[in-house]
Amino acid sequence: DAKTTQPTSMDCAEGRAANLPCNHSTISGNEYVYWYRQIHSQGPQYIIHGLKNNETNEMASLIITEDRKSSTLILPHATLRDTAVYYCIVRVADSGNTPLVFGKGTRLSVIA
Amino acid sequence: KAGVTQTPRYLIKTRGQQVTLSCSPISGHRSVSWYQQTPGQGLQFLFEYFSETQRNKGNFPGRFSGRQFSNSRSEMNVSTLELGDSALYLCASSWTGHKGDTQYFGPGTRLTVL
Repeated sequence: DAKTTQPTSMDCAEGRAANLPCNHSTISGNEYVYWYRQIHSQGPQYIIHGLKNNETNEMASLIITEDRKSSTLILPHATLRDTAVYYCIVRVADSGNTPLVFGKGTRLSVIA
Repeated sequence: KAGVTQTPRYLIKTRGQQVTLSCSPISGHRSVSWYQQTPGQGLQFLFEYFSETQRNKGNFPGRFSGRQFSNSRSEMNVSTLELGDSALYLCASSWTGHKGDTQYFGPGTRLTVL
């Protein structure tokens, strides 16, 4: 089972920041938080991941709380093309390859 | 650098037939994972290959199998197809699969079983 809890759906106005929350209260010290998104019927697209520090790349920012029990993915200026299902995934980062365990994600609708 | 490619993109089969799907990972990536996505079950892990060896397996029946070639390309096979095997089959590649390195997904193969 997925180890994260996300809202089922969210709306965001085009041009505004989209803030997608994720709860992972049982996260362990050696687990990363990953974010992927899936635009309708396409393969999931990697967005960003982090362990305990906040991270930023060209797509988004990831804010992880100090106790690591929750995080927020921020899309700074949402566009219509950001409409997708966003998955927050907790994954062990040790030797060996652990598979990604997807939950139901958050369906983000960006509205013009 | 080219992304993960999957062929074919769409496939229609009938019950009882078998099917083979192909995945070419990103150049230099040696780990290939397969996932199945259905409306009812969501995205589920099938198996993972590294250096031509299956290293991890999900909870799927033996009708689902795979292999990896020396150039890291991978195939998955489903024998004796059932209606419930209709799904989007996704392949993801990563450098080695160790230390949780990032998996990058292909566009998927949409399989319809009639």
